[in-house]
Amino acid sequence: SYELTQPPSVSVSPGQTARITCSGDALPKKYAYWYQQKSGQAPVLVIYEDSKRPSGIPERFSGSSSGTMATLTISGAQVEDEADYYCYSTDSSGGVFGGGTKLTVL
Amino acid sequence: QVQLVESGGGVVQPGRSLRLSCAASGFTFSSYGMHWVRQAPGKGLEWVAVIWYDGSNKYYADSVKGRFTISRDNSKNTLYLQMNSLRAEDTAVYYCARDRPWCSGGSCYPGAFDIWGQGTMVTVSS
Repeated sequence: SYELTQPPSVSVSPGQTARITCSGDALPKKYAYWYQQKSGQAPVLVIYEDSKRPSGIPERFSGSSSGTMATLTISGAQVEDEADYYCYSTDSSGGVFGGGTKLTVL
Repeated sequence: QVQLVESGGGVVQPGRSLRLSCAASGFTFSSYGMHWVRQAPGKGLEWVAVIWYDGSNKYYADSVKGRFTISRDNSKNTLYLQMNSLRAEDTAVYYCARDRPWCSGGSCYPGAFDIWGQGTMVTVSS
């Protein structure tokens, strides 16, 4: 399997745009998925297939992927968006998560 | 409503076995692939295993291959994870998750985890 690399932390002020990156050699050929996990809770899918947003996820969440890097963008981040974010992608026999990024909004 | 409820976690000694269950409701369980994902205390998420909707294919992370077995009973809407030869490093919260496949050229493959359970804690300690 391969690795996905995320920055350990990102910090923004409320209303600013937060960008969380995920790099991996297989991303040009594989979809990226993004999960939000708030403290003590199960993860929630926020972006699938690079850029699609599940129903119920606010429009401020968006995703993109180019080459070996996928990006989760939170436009106008809010205090309630403070959480750990994980990227995920599949390989030939399963899947791999990135190490996670702690987003601080204050 | 769509729901996944895990059970079977607990404290177990190294080398022993444990079976986790995941009861599904609110959707047609037999139409979906299912995954197990775990999270060690204070650590990130780790994909563990996937099983196709009909049980025809199963894949495992290298860290559990040969020790863990994923299975399902579609008549009971239940997913299982049989964990043998447990090690201290298997200590984690174990989540079951529903698969949202991606499809291309008439074939579909495992994709996103669109529904998650609340998790069950497994502690391996003497």
